[in-house]
Amino acid sequence: EPEVTQTPSHQVTQMGQEVILRCVPISNHLYFYWYRQILGQKVEFLVSFYNNEISEKSEIFDDQFSVERPDGSNFTLKIRSTKLEDSAMYFCASGQTGSSRYGYTFGSGTRLTVV
Amino acid sequence: SQQGEEDPQALSIQEGENATMNCSYKTSINNLQWYRQNSGRGLVHLILIRSNEREKHSGRLRVTLDTSKKSSSLLITASRAADTASYFCATVPYTGTASKLTFGTGTRLQVTL
Repeated sequence: EPEVTQTPSHQVTQMGQEVILRCVPISNHLYFYWYRQILGQKVEFLVSFYNNEISEKSEIFDDQFSVERPDGSNFTLKIRSTKLEDSAMYFCASGQTGSSRYGYTFGSGTRLTVV
Repeated sequence: SQQGEEDPQALSIQEGENATMNCSYKTSINNLQWYRQNSGRGLVHLILIRSNEREKHSGRLRVTLDTSKKSSSLLITASRAADTASYFCATVPYTGTASKLTFGTGTRLQVTL
């Protein structure tokens, strides 16, 4: 069954450093998302991406965050200058349609720890 | 309450019993989805129910939706130890391109032998 692949599975970084989280969505999917889950809390929407541009972003997704689809397969989330409160599990998801008619496929996540 | 709140927060049952989890939401939806998350792992899509549907089945899963009460329930029949996980409902509003999911707080299900 097709999978969404995320790398790395765990990243530890120092406060103020830049991190790039990588995702390889399912190949025929057109809609891409990042979500995050702070330990013990809800999964929160960060950003959606379609047709090489951001469709929607949440309040969390401030100027420190950016997304890119540099080639036909990768979808990245960059945090420019990490803060302690950025520590969370980050999930990439992709969907075949924008109306989520068939649900979304999530990756296994990247656990980001900012120290 | 927030969009997508599940109850109970935690549920412990024995193998073979049925598990019922409830979800309430506040705004109009296009569809509601249930996801499962094993500890420290990713989210797995279980089932989707559209706003014009009232009940849906998939294997041992049964989902109901009551749009008048803005609530949904997930029933897992004949539970197994492997069903131990957190279960989340997620709503999709009436919106356009690249609809986002709004997740609930989740129910932690523990199935014991």
